[in-house]
Amino acid sequence: NAGVTQTPKFQVLKTGQSMTLQCAQDMNHEYMSWYRQDPGMGLRLIHYSVGAGITDQGEVPNGYNVSRSTTEDFPLRLLSAAPSQTSVYFCASSYRVGGRETQYFGPGTRLLVL
Amino acid sequence: DQQVKQNSPSLSVQEGRISILNCDYTNSMFDYFLWYKKYPAEGPTFLISISSIKDKNEDGRFTVFLNKSAKHLSLHIVPSQPGDSAVYFCAAKDSGTYKYIFGTGTRLKVLA
Repeated sequence: NAGVTQTPKFQVLKTGQSMTLQCAQDMNHEYMSWYRQDPGMGLRLIHYSVGAGITDQGEVPNGYNVSRSTTEDFPLRLLSAAPSQTSVYFCASSYRVGGRETQYFGPGTRLLVL
Repeated sequence: DQQVKQNSPSLSVQEGRISILNCDYTNSMFDYFLWYKKYPAEGPTFLISISSIKDKNEDGRFTVFLNKSAKHLSLHIVPSQPGDSAVYFCAAKDSGTYKYIFGTGTRLKVLA
């Protein structure tokens, strides 16, 4: 049971390049989400999904696309990278039982856009 | 507009004493609250949560208190240990949604 895995751990992009950040979970959780963490800003929700085929926008969705074709995978696509997207990206999955929610985070992807 | 605020960016506490981390929120629709701990170069780890139907939840050394009228919650760690040194985030959500809103974090340093 690997939990939530993210690849790559670190990536450098040039402005205008595109890339996909991978996220996978093996806990059969329905809910998955992507956050970015910037200094002094906490974690901000980019996109989330409540199940395969269902996605929705979070607080800061511009410049990012997501899809959820399977329960396990939730990739985040940067269409045309900008320096403002330099950040640490965290993927999370969660489940809800009896009114209690628990959210598990991956180790993060550190992205630098030049 | 910051809906979840952690006004203390850092806190230092002596080992064995109590650590109190505070969090304020503005959205009255929030009814579920969580605390996470984060070490450098790792993802946040869930610590403890509380629903708005309660005013206290305890799990070992960690207790979360919720004051709904003041829109304030706090995390108490007793006794504090050097391994508790980390950044602590509070998060809040409306249980009808899946959107978690995080505070900016408080860096706790427990001195041996």
